[in-house]
Amino acid sequence: DAGVTQSPTHLIKTRGQQVTLRCSPKSGHDTVSWYQQALGQGPQFIFQYYEEEERQRGNFPDRFSGHQFPNYSSELNVNALLLGDSALYLCASSSIAGADYNEQFFGPGTRLTVL
Amino acid sequence: AQSVTQLGSHVSVSEGALVLLRCNYSSSVPPYLFWYVQYPNQGLQLLLKYTSAATLVKGINGFEAEFKKSETSFHLTKPSAHMSDAAEYFCAVSGGIGADGLTFGKGTHLIIQP
Repeated sequence: DAGVTQSPTHLIKTRGQQVTLRCSPKSGHDTVSWYQQALGQGPQFIFQYYEEEERQRGNFPDRFSGHQFPNYSSELNVNALLLGDSALYLCASSSIAGADYNEQFFGPGTRLTVL
Repeated sequence: AQSVTQLGSHVSVSEGALVLLRCNYSSSVPPYLFWYVQYPNQGLQLLLKYTSAATLVKGINGFEAEFKKSETSFHLTKPSAHMSDAAEYFCAVSGGIGADGLTFGKGTHLIIQP
């Protein structure tokens, strides 16, 4: 079992650009959540996808959008990048309809640097 | 709405000493509570979770935590610290099931002195 995987591991972008981050959930999981972790801070919840729909959303602007595919993998898109978007982006998976409904498994993250 | 407060951004203990990391929460509904550990340049690993069963929860690597509703606390302890415990620790709360979006504290950096 590969666990939660994310790509790429590191990314450098310029202000105003757009970025797409990818996540594959743990085998058997149907739910993907995204978190932003700024340097020295705790993770902040961006949104969660279940059955290809946004199920929950945190306090993030519309520049942050996502998608979930039929195979449960997910993308996080950020438009019009700001310097403040520089952070570690974490993906977590769980199984609302299965045994792991009370736990989230985290991937290693994607480090985004905006210059 | 939920919130988490972790008291002490840095905690330093000697190897072999008791580890105590503090977490207080606020939740309008019965909470699910979690402690995660993060090693440098890695993701989060679950140490333990409280999901309304036993109030004393045992986790991995010898850690445990006690849910105290009257004090709205969920402090993390370990009887004897090891050098390998040096890491960042995060307390988190969910207002629904554990799969819901989590609210994290700002973290506590645990330093182990030889």
